[in-house]
Amino acid sequence: EDQVTQSPEALRLQEGESSSLNCSYTVSGLRGLFWYRQDPGKGPEFLFTLYSAGEEKEKERLKATLTKKESFLHITAPKPEDSATYLCAVISYNNNDMRFGAGTRLTVKP
Amino acid sequence: NAGVTQTPKFRVLKTGQSMTLLCAQDMNHEYMYWYRQDPGMGLRLIHYSVGEGTTAKGEVPDGYNVSRLKKQNFLLGLESAAPSQTSVYFCASRPPGRTYNEQFFGPGTRLTVL
Repeated sequence: EDQVTQSPEALRLQEGESSSLNCSYTVSGLRGLFWYRQDPGKGPEFLFTLYSAGEEKEKERLKATLTKKESFLHITAPKPEDSATYLCAVISYNNNDMRFGAGTRLTVKP
Repeated sequence: NAGVTQTPKFRVLKTGQSMTLLCAQDMNHEYMYWYRQDPGMGLRLIHYSVGEGTTAKGEVPDGYNVSRLKKQNFLLGLESAAPSQTSVYFCASRPPGRTYNEQFFGPGTRLTVL
């Protein structure tokens, strides 16, 4: 069965303090790995899709990378507005459902 | 475009009551999904639809029914609500084609069952 584990559960950073969020996955043939951002009381908002090991994508202060077992979301010089829960999800050749991790709640203090 | 909208935003039910959650999208997407989100468990798929008139079970379908009579609408029904169905419900849609197309999410419905 496809599984997605995100760590840490929560992360507190000072503004400007760079860090990384981890998403470990176990699937039978990865079709795609997704990163979403979710603000309190709102639905998830799409950030990135990664398809194969070695792939990287960037958007402003965020950079997502992918290996055969995990993905990292690197946050460079974060700002308070980057505070949110970041969700990782996978789709595999095993099933067409998107399987989500529990998320990492990021807080960036000014 | 409004994107994906959900009604109601909040609802409180008593055990055994029934209700229907409505999801509407104006992006002409073929695929629509219903998820529930519980603390520490992430989003879990309840039911989904690959087109008008079709529905299929997801990971946690028990206690729920769905209907897709119109392409733009996807309804989630609870026939006899239970406290275990207290959750935040999200609807999502995506265009047809590649399975790994991104999904667009609605704002959610917070349901409490007493």
